[in-house]
Parts: sequence; C-alpha cells; structure tokens
Amino acid sequence: NAGVTQTPKFRVLKTGQSMTLLCAQDMNHEYMYWYRQDPGMGLRLIHYSVGEGTTAKGEVPDGYNVSRLKKQNFLLGLESAAPSQTSVYFCASSYGASGGSTDTQYFGPGTRLTVL
Amino acid sequence: AQSVTQLGSHVSVSEGALVLLRCNYSSSVPPYLFWYVQYPNQGLQLLLKYTSAATLVKGINGFEAEFKKSETSFHLTKPSAHMSDAAEYFCAVSDKAGNNRKLIWGLGTSLAVNP
Repeated sequence: NAGVTQTPKFRVLKTGQSMTLLCAQDMNHEYMYWYRQDPGMGLRLIHYSVGEGTTAKGEVPDGYNVSRLKKQNFLLGLESAAPSQTSVYFCASSYGASGGSTDTQYFGPGTRLTVL
Repeated sequence: AQSVTQLGSHVSVSEGALVLLRCNYSSSVPPYLFWYVQYPNQGLQLLLKYTSAATLVKGINGFEAEFKKSETSFHLTKPSAHMSDAAEYFCAVSDKAGNNRKLIWGLGTSLAVNP
C-alpha cells in the first residue's frame, strides 16, 4: 500500500514551458486535491476533484489545469510556466469530502518545481 | 466565512520543555478541527483531530489538543519536546455547516527544538 505518490519529485522549467505533475493513490479515495505551498502562505488549494471525471477550482486555479480520467490518478498541468509558479506542489486524497466531515487527507511527498 | 488563525509563525523551545502551538477558529458553530505535521522535505500527515467525541484529543508522538468552545481554540501541546518534533505544524478546520468540500488551513507554525 503506497498511499499517495507524486511524480516527479523535482523539476526545473524555463518560462513558457509546459509540464504535467502526476498524482496517484491506491486507497480508492473519491476526493483528490492539488495544493501549492509557499513560504509564509501555508497551503493553498489549486484544484480538487470529488470523483472520477470531475474537477473543480480552488483558491488559486489560474495558470493550472487538471484532469481526473481515472479514479486513482489526478493530473496537474502547467501550460505555460511562469516564475510565480515556482513552489512545492502537494497532492492529497480523502475518502469523502473534507469539508463538513472528519475525513483525513492523505498527502503525497511533494514535487519541488522551479521556473526560471 | 470560516477562518483559522495560528498565533506565532515560529516557535522555539528547548529539548524537554513544554510545547504549546496555538490555533483559533472563527465559526460560531464548532467545526471539526485537525492538526497536521510536516517534517522537513516530506508531505503532511495527520497528528490528531477533534470529532466532537471528546474535548481532549490525543494524537501521535505524545501530542494532544484540547477543544475549548468558549475560547474558540484548539491548541496543541506536548509536555516534553524532543529534537525529532522539529517540524511545521498546521491547524485546519472543516466546517460542519455547509456544502464546502474543503479544509480551511492555517498558515502554519514552524517549531524549532534547541538542544
């Protein structure tokens, strides 16, 4: 049982390049989330999904797209990377909705992205 | 709107001293509350959570937190700090009331433990 895994662990991009971050979970969780973590700003939700084939915007969705074609995978895409997207990205999953429930979110190890 | 405040972005304690990390929420309806810990270069993991069952909640690694409705607080404590407790700690709130599917996160408190 690997939990939540993220690929890649590190990446350096040049401004304007594109990339996709992959998140996979093997816990059969319905809900999945993408966060970014920046110094002094805590965790900010980018996008989330409430089930296979669904996506929704979080607090800071601009510049990112997501897809949930399979229940176990949640992809985060950057179409044209900008230096402001330099951050650590975390994926998380939960069995049910985190809002209004006591469900725990399980986090991946993170992807450290630098955009030059 | 629901919000959560963590007082003190950095806390430093000596090894063996009491650890106290503060968290206050804003809702008039007591929410569900969580503490997560992030060790260096790792993802977050659940430390403990308040589910309305008991006001004093015990978590992993000797941590506990007490829910105080009158103070709208859920402070995290540990009687004796260990070097391995050095990490970032996040308080989060889950609003019982609405259709919000998301956790509301505090900005985090970085705990340093000095020898």
